[in-house]
Amino acid sequence: NAGVMQNPRHLVRRRGQEARLRCSPMKGHSHVYWYRQLPEEGLKFMVYLQKENIIDESGMPKERFSAEFPKEGPSILRIQQVVRGDSAAYFCASSPRTGVSGANVLTFGAGSRLTVL
Amino acid sequence: AQKVTQAQTEISVVEKEDVTLDCVYETRDTTYYLFWYKQPPSGELVFLIRRNSFDEQNEISGRYSWNFQKSTSSFNFTITASQVVDSAVYFCALSERNAGNMLTFGGGTRLMVKP
Repeated sequence: NAGVMQNPRHLVRRRGQEARLRCSPMKGHSHVYWYRQLPEEGLKFMVYLQKENIIDESGMPKERFSAEFPKEGPSILRIQQVVRGDSAAYFCASSPRTGVSGANVLTFGAGSRLTVL
Repeated sequence: AQKVTQAQTEISVVEKEDVTLDCVYETRDTTYYLFWYKQPPSGELVFLIRRNSFDEQNEISGRYSWNFQKSTSSFNFTITASQVVDSAVYFCALSERNAGNMLTFGGGTRLMVKP
């Protein structure tokens, strides 16, 4: 009964490299969310996806960031040409499909901590 | 637009003391949901409670209790007889019915319980 699995847990990149963060939702969950936590701050919403669909990406930076949740495999958050300001913890969460918008309890993964040198 | 404020950035107590973590929210939606999550030093987020905007009953779960007051837009969290294992960052969060499942988090309150 694995929860939300994120990998890698820690990732170090040099400026200009690409970072790929993976998230496998809980079994039976069809909704995936990505949040970013900057040091000493709360979590900020980035993107909400269902299989093969981006539902809401209002929190995603316009450049360098992209997310996908393919039909098969984990959700991927991709950051191109990383900069020092991208250093943060990136959390993935998943929820089941429900008929009541807003009421879902999100189950969070342990996070992926990105450090940009 | 929705907003969650946790005015206390850090609280330090001695074991067995009671402690209340404040949470104030703003929303224009009449249907919304409030959450508390705990983030222990290991870093993961642990769900504690969800309330909907139509249920103002206070809730108690062991040493934890929550006080939801719509009149003051607050959803405060009290830990009774705190223990060292309660040391963590606690986040209050809000989701609106009209905003899908997007959670808006407060900045968090770091609770340190000393032996």
